[in-house]
Amino acid sequence: GESVGLHLPTLSVQEGDNSIINCAYSNSASDYFIWYKQESGKGPQFIIDIRSNMDKRQGQRVTVLLNKTVKHLSLQIAATQPGDSAVYFCAHRASGTYKYIFGTGTRLKVLA
Amino acid sequence: EADIYQTPRYLVIGTGKKITLECSQTMGHDKMYWYQQDPGMELHLIHYSYGVNSTEKGDLSSESTVSRIRTEHFPLTLESARPSHTSQYLCASSEWGIDEQYFGPGTRLTVT
Repeated sequence: GESVGLHLPTLSVQEGDNSIINCAYSNSASDYFIWYKQESGKGPQFIIDIRSNMDKRQGQRVTVLLNKTVKHLSLQIAATQPGDSAVYFCAHRASGTYKYIFGTGTRLKVLA
Repeated sequence: EADIYQTPRYLVIGTGKKITLECSQTMGHDKMYWYQQDPGMELHLIHYSYGVNSTEKGDLSSESTVSRIRTEHFPLTLESARPSHTSQYLCASSEWGIDEQYFGPGTRLTVT
């Protein structure tokens, strides 16, 4: 069945280093992917998205890479800051559906 | 910051009680969603709505019901709360044709 999973439940990085959070999905029909950031006590917040016709998309300090061959998605955060500490979720949906499948979150800890 | 609100933020109730979790958004979004999220875990879709008088069940089996009488309001009701309902409930909304979902802060429910 469909699934979205994250490889690492917790990621610790030094402030200023780059962070890479990975995500795997199983549905080859998935055509839209989103990364969300969830801070403690808050709802998820949109970070960046990518469609299946793209391999890479960049935002402010964030880059999402999509490898459809191996069904893998990653979120790269440049120059990680203390404010980046949160749980990060990837989610996807298949073409023609409105339902998103969310993965188990990865907790990012930024070390001073 | 998204204009989507949830009340109450925290609720502790006894088994068998009927409760309604409120969700309102002021963005005029047609689509609204309810998710259930256990601590540190992925979000599971329990209900969604495409517009007024339109509601659908999500993938997660739920004993809750929803209504959509007004565009801005999407309450979720548990007729008889059980300890297994203890979780965080997140409401979200999005524009028609847009994938990005705006999330509320969540309601953390504990059933004793």
